[in-house]
Amino acid sequence: DTGVSQNPRHKITKRGQNVTFRCDPISEHNRLYWYRQTLGQGPEFLTYFQNEAQLEKSRLLSDRFSAERPKGSFSTLEIQRTEQGDSAMYLCASSLSGQGLGGYTFGSGTRLTVV
Amino acid sequence: QKEVEQDPGPLSVPEGAIVSLNCTYSNSAFQYFMWYRQYSRKGPELLMYTYSSGNKEDGRFTAQVDKSSKYISLFIRDSQPSDSATYLCAMSSNSGYALNFGKGTSLLVTP
Repeated sequence: DTGVSQNPRHKITKRGQNVTFRCDPISEHNRLYWYRQTLGQGPEFLTYFQNEAQLEKSRLLSDRFSAERPKGSFSTLEIQRTEQGDSAMYLCASSLSGQGLGGYTFGSGTRLTVV
Repeated sequence: QKEVEQDPGPLSVPEGAIVSLNCTYSNSAFQYFMWYRQYSRKGPELLMYTYSSGNKEDGRFTAQVDKSSKYISLFIRDSQPSDSATYLCAMSSNSGYALNFGKGTSLLVTP
């Protein structure tokens, strides 16, 4: 396993379109997280899964955003009716419960540009 | 005011210098402290992870946590041009999930 994999790496979309990103975590990791990072800022937490259960959602996750993790493996993040303010890097991370935060590993991100 | 404050820099140092990076925070519940390195257009890479107060050393990197002052530091010895990146501090009150990040400090090490 080579780490957390995110696809696509870059997505350009027109305002109003829907987009979906995929994250494949490290295989033995049961926790999966989504973050958003805008230029010049640190990542901001969006949501968290333990296995298939979505346990926490940030207030940043508006109604246009939805995340799923069917069967507790890969996860998808969908943004409906994209707005220019959604342009950002969307990062996925995973970890294994019981290991603390030392194994909290990020993927390379999906860069979204809304035009 | 954000919970985690970090000077964005940029910080420019000559090769071989000792680099000091730091963050302050306001939430006394934070117990887990991390430093990530992020190269341009890449995801953050974990450098150092510390639980509670104290020092931790790993090669050229030393992390310090002073919970009484709500202040954490990362020192890089013998800095190299390949250390040029953005350094993000992150912290959490719970080993389970959300990390609270600083803005990141941009570091340039010149040959």
